[in-house]
Amino acid sequence: EVQLVESGGGLVQPGGSLRLSCAASGFRFTNYWLHWVRQAPGKGLVWVSRIHSDGSRTNYADSVKGRFTISRDNAKNTLYLQMNSLRADDTAVYFCGRVRRDNSSGPELDYWGQGALVTVSS
Amino acid sequence: SYVLTQPPSLSVAPGQKARITCGGNNIGTKSVHWYQQRPGQAPVLVVYDDSDRPSGIPERFSGSNSGNTATLTISSVAAGDEADYYCQVWDRDSYHVVFGGGTKLTVL
Repeated sequence: EVQLVESGGGLVQPGGSLRLSCAASGFRFTNYWLHWVRQAPGKGLVWVSRIHSDGSRTNYADSVKGRFTISRDNAKNTLYLQMNSLRADDTAVYFCGRVRRDNSSGPELDYWGQGALVTVSS
Repeated sequence: SYVLTQPPSLSVAPGQKARITCGGNNIGTKSVHWYQQRPGQAPVLVVYDDSDRPSGIPERFSGSNSGNTATLTISSVAAGDEADYYCQVWDRDSYHVVFGGGTKLTVL
């Protein structure tokens, strides 16, 4: 069974940092592109970032470029999102997602984690 | 950057057809994907590549895409279909993934 489980969310002050993790199981992790998508309270889905199956290519939304870094450890089957210089408008539930087809950049995501809440507030 | 426009809300009686639109400049040249999201849950992929359904998604869900509008159709709406629906595309010009603003489907 494919599973994605996020962790690392919490309350952080403006300007602070946080690292989210997404632990994957049930599929060949090294074959899949992965994405991060966020959702502010009561708002819609917003794409954050994506990473190639081998970690060699990444892309970011303009709103997070230069502050967030996506990475992966294929030996640990884990995806990460390092978030620096956090702002109040980064407050959201962050979802990790797997692209439906292996070795495809997607972006259709067929499996999602349950989400991790990040709250940026003083 | 590329923009996808969805109506904020749609209300449909049980058993009737629901059509949720997603507008974008020449969206017919892109592959459109659709998600269903119930409150407090992660999104679920219901249509990919304009009109294909993942396994386990009922045949009541279908999609089309032409010109400047993509459409998700639910042929006979049931109470369990009440949710938010989002369209999604890849914008090759900006190397960004784009979501529509979402449509809240209410089953009367």
